[in-house]
Amino acid sequence: EDQVTQSPEALRLQEGESSSLNCSYTVSGLRGLFWYRQDPGKGPEFLFTLYSAGEEKEKERLKATLTKKESFLHITAPKPEDSATYLCAVLPGSGAGSYQLTFGKGTKLSVIP
Amino acid sequence: ETGVTQSPTHLIKTRGQQVTLRCSSQSGHNTVSWYQQALGQGPQFIFQYYREEENGRGNFPPRFSGLQFPNYSSELNVNALELDDSALYLCASSRSGTGGFGYTFGSGTRLTVV
Repeated sequence: EDQVTQSPEALRLQEGESSSLNCSYTVSGLRGLFWYRQDPGKGPEFLFTLYSAGEEKEKERLKATLTKKESFLHITAPKPEDSATYLCAVLPGSGAGSYQLTFGKGTKLSVIP
Repeated sequence: ETGVTQSPTHLIKTRGQQVTLRCSSQSGHNTVSWYQQALGQGPQFIFQYYREEENGRGNFPPRFSGLQFPNYSSELNVNALELDDSALYLCASSRSGTGGFGYTFGSGTRLTVV
């Protein structure tokens, strides 16, 4: 069974204080690992897709990295508008579930001015 | 380019009732997936529709059913509502059965069962 565990559950940062969010996963043949941002009362907003170990992607203050067992979302010099819940999800490579994302519970990030 | 539209935004139902939620997919997308997100949890896959047929289902009972229409819009129906069905229901559209790739999510329908 595919599993995704995110840590920490919640993170409070001062504006400008860089940090990382962790996503550990077990999946039968990874086709893709996804990061989403979700604001309260809204649907998830796509950030990145990572496909293989060693891959990195960047967007503004966010950088996502991938190993064979986990992914990190690094946030550099965050601003209050980065406050949101960050969700990690995996798509398996084969089997009956190869069309569905398995999500973690998310990390709720609060950036204090 | 229009995004994914879901209706209604909020809904309160009584245990045992039936509910229908609606989703209009993004322009150019022909696949619709539904997810349930309980408070404080990540979204859980319910099912996916492609070419008006269900082509994948998660671990949800048969009282969760759906439809996809020729214009690629979709409905999620839940019969015999239970208190645990209270959640945010998310619709995601994508192209050509890609399921998981290229998802655009709607803002969801918040269902409360009392």
